[in-house]
Amino acid sequence: GAGVSQTPSNKVTEKGKYVELRCDPISGHTALYWYRQSLGQGPEFLIYFQGTGAADDSGLPNDRFFAVRPEGSVSTLKIQRTERGDSAVYLCASSPGTGDSYGYTFGSGTRLTVV
Amino acid sequence: AQSVTQPDIHITVSEGASLELRCNYSYGATPYLFWYVQSPGQGLQLLLKYFSGDTLVQGIKGFEAEFKRSQSSFNLRKPSVHWSDAAEYFCAVAPTSGTYKYIFGTGTRLKVLA
Repeated sequence: GAGVSQTPSNKVTEKGKYVELRCDPISGHTALYWYRQSLGQGPEFLIYFQGTGAADDSGLPNDRFFAVRPEGSVSTLKIQRTERGDSAVYLCASSPGTGDSYGYTFGSGTRLTVV
Repeated sequence: AQSVTQPDIHITVSEGASLELRCNYSYGATPYLFWYVQSPGQGLQLLLKYFSGDTLVQGIKGFEAEFKRSQSSFNLRKPSVHWSDAAEYFCAVAPTSGTYKYIFGTGTRLKVLA
């Protein structure tokens, strides 16, 4: 597609529920990233995919968070047993690869609210 | 530890006035440096980036930034602000090895008075 698409744009869920957030990167971009932006903060790195594999998941806060990218394009961020502290905007970005001249293209984000 | 500081949480300027948004970083070497802008309900848009070379970098929408190694700063400037520039601005750094893991500052929210 022309840009990075994230769905849904807004998600309200009850504490303890499971949610999935979807990211559709720019066609042909091999690198995909998830960031989390809490209120009043800058985005924080969660996970980086190169192709189908998670090259770096060091930013995932705990084992309730998991992300997949089975075919090397669309990625899904999965959160189990959601907590109120998970409320944030989850941003996805993609790039042609990683290297000196690449910059991210970000999606508009999914605003997750856990009530 | 690497960090980025944007000391101004909010800035208000009049339309047509000049603008400077401050960014300081803490990193062992010269990192890659970026400025992004985020309008309400929108994703982050890259304004400009510095990797090496000329320390004055030109970006989109009339923005520029200057890298000053001695001050560990990468301040964003615009000579004449337009009302449409009202948004939140984020400075980010990335290590020169493994440039995928950006570290963002907390942002500066810009308000433009008509």
